Amino acid sequence: DAGVTQSPTHLIKTRGQQVTLRCSPKSGHDTVSWYQQALGQGPQFIFQYYEEEERQRGNFPDRFSGHQFPNYSSELNVNALLLGDSALYLCASSPGLAELYNEQFFGPGTRLTVL
Amino acid sequence: AQSVTQPDIHITVSEGASLELRCNYSYGATPYLFWYVQSPGQGLQLLLKYFSGDTLVQGIKGFEAEFKRSQSSFNLRKPSVHWSDAAEYFCAVGLYSSASKIIFGSGTRLSIRP
Repeated sequence: DAGVTQSPTHLIKTRGQQVTLRCSPKSGHDTVSWYQQALGQGPQFIFQYYEEEERQRGNFPDRFSGHQFPNYSSELNVNALLLGDSALYLCASSPGLAELYNEQFFGPGTRLTVL
Repeated sequence: AQSVTQPDIHITVSEGASLELRCNYSYGATPYLFWYVQSPGQGLQLLLKYFSGDTLVQGIKGFEAEFKRSQSSFNLRKPSVHWSDAAEYFCAVGLYSSASKIIFGSGTRLSIRP
């Protein structure tokens, strides 16, 4: 079992550009959540996808959007990049509609640097 | 508002020594509490979680944590640390009303002295 995989590992963009990050959930998981982890901080919840719909959202602007595909993989899109978007972006997957007692498994993350 | 505080940014302990990482939370109801570990280049791994019941929770890798409602704390302990325990540790609280929307503390970096 490959666990949660994310691509790319690292990414460098300039301000104003757009970026797409990808996540493949652990086998058997159908719920994907995205988190942003700034340097020296804990992860912050961005949003969660289940059945190809955004189910919950954290306090992030509309520049952050996502998508879930029928195979449960997911994308995170960020438009009009700002310097402050530089962070490690983590994807987590879980079975079912992510009740807290269903453990979330995290991927290794994508390190985004905005110059 | 819900919040999680980890007062220690960085802790160094000697290999074989005991460890306690502190975590305090602010939440209006009985919280769901978690401890995660993050090693460089790796994702977060769940060490243990508390939902209800016995306030002393056993986790993986020899870790345990104790929920103290009166102190709003959920401290992580290990009786004897190993060099491989060096990592970043995050305490987190789960929101009862929003499954999977976990609020993380800012983390404690653990270094191990040989």
